[in-house]
Amino acid sequence: AQSVTQLGSHVSVSEGALVLLRCNYSSSVPPYLFWYVQYPNQGLQLLLKYTSAATLVKGINGFEAEFKKSETSFHLTKPSAHMSDAAEYFCAVTGYAGNMLTFGGGTRLMVKP
Amino acid sequence: EAGVVQSPRYKIIEKKQPVAFWCNPISGHNTLYWYRQNLGQGPELLIRYENEEAVDDSQLPKDRFSAERLKGVDSTLKIQPAELGDSAVYLCASSLGQGAGGANVLTFGAGSRLTVL
Repeated sequence: AQSVTQLGSHVSVSEGALVLLRCNYSSSVPPYLFWYVQYPNQGLQLLLKYTSAATLVKGINGFEAEFKKSETSFHLTKPSAHMSDAAEYFCAVTGYAGNMLTFGGGTRLMVKP
Repeated sequence: EAGVVQSPRYKIIEKKQPVAFWCNPISGHNTLYWYRQNLGQGPELLIRYENEEAVDDSQLPKDRFSAERLKGVDSTLKIQPAELGDSAVYLCASSLGQGAGGANVLTFGAGSRLTVL
């Protein structure tokens, strides 16, 4: 079974500041990990995914995440926040078969001008 | 390419009334999922279809929820009767399926927001 924990249900940063959203996973098999973003009144959009290739994964909109097996973490970062980054971010995990995607509780990112 | 289409986007009903949600997945996607997202929480899987077969419905409250995917394309999720606690966003997603392994990326629709009064 797989699960993810997102530390911090709300994160607030200033425009131009570093964004760091935390995700820790638990998995009995080698995991595949994903970050999705959800804008208000919209569905979830894939930001990036880790599928056992490079441990540093680059996604859309300048986001990236690093898979650290020793820490069971997959934190999402962006060097400089933009107002348009304000949204809800979800970390998710699945096993090799890729058909049982389990989500964390989400982190709401707020960007202050 | 059209994305995952869901309707209605919003639905307000009184408790004990029935409600149905419709989903049209991306063409060629064999796997279809229904998730429920409560306010302030992550999505939780209700049911997963591989073509027309429901292969995982362990989280579907079968006393009041039902789903179907006729001909392995469109799907309908029904609640009858609805309860206050059913207020949530119902998300449909589709993917290429199990054969894609870890590359099995889910594409989500915009969701159907249900409010039960």
